[in-house]
Amino acid sequence: AQKITQTQPGMFVQEKEAVTLDCTYDTSDPSYGLFWYKQPSSGEMIFLIYQGSYDQQNATEGRYSLNFQKARKSANLVISASQLGDSAMYFCAMRAIIQGAQKLVFGQGTRLTINP
Amino acid sequence: KAGVTQTPRYLIKTRGQQVTLSCSPISGHRSVSWYQQTPGQGLQFLFEYFSETQRNKGNFPGRFSGRQFSNSRSEMNVSTLELGDSALYLCASRGEASSYNSPLHFGNGTRLTVT
Repeated sequence: AQKITQTQPGMFVQEKEAVTLDCTYDTSDPSYGLFWYKQPSSGEMIFLIYQGSYDQQNATEGRYSLNFQKARKSANLVISASQLGDSAMYFCAMRAIIQGAQKLVFGQGTRLTINP
Repeated sequence: KAGVTQTPRYLIKTRGQQVTLSCSPISGHRSVSWYQQTPGQGLQFLFEYFSETQRNKGNFPGRFSGRQFSNSRSEMNVSTLELGDSALYLCASRGEASSYNSPLHFGNGTRLTVT
């Protein structure tokens, strides 16, 4: 069954440090997409970055990069030079075919707190 | 370009009542999905609509229903509300329904409290 696991319920990081948020996934589908979303306290889910299962290079978007290790089925999010505004919940998600239909499956999330 | 708009932002209802939530997708997006988010269960997929047709459905009881209009706006209805229906309901749209790399764009959500 398709599943996303985020093992860090919470993380505390000093401002300006880099932070890695862990994400492992499980799927037997050879084609899938991996996404990271940020959810501030306002509730909106903000799309950060995408990695496709056939992409040869790790995705990057500004301060966000995705450390994609296909053999280990991991897709960790790296935030460089963290800022106070990065404090939020972060969700890893996978788009896969489930029961013949394309669906997005989310992990439980990691609450990131950036300390000044 | 305006983002996904959900109304209302907050709702308080009592058990047994019904509720309708509204979602306007990003202009040009024809796929609209609904998710329920609770502290205990996390984000759970409710259903997805594309061109007025339900494409996918999650594992929720029949009290949860939805529809999509010709302008791609979508509504979600929950009948006979239960305390456990208290949650943040998120609507999301995307432009290409069949592409793996097309991200969902979410609205701010509707926070429903059932008393």
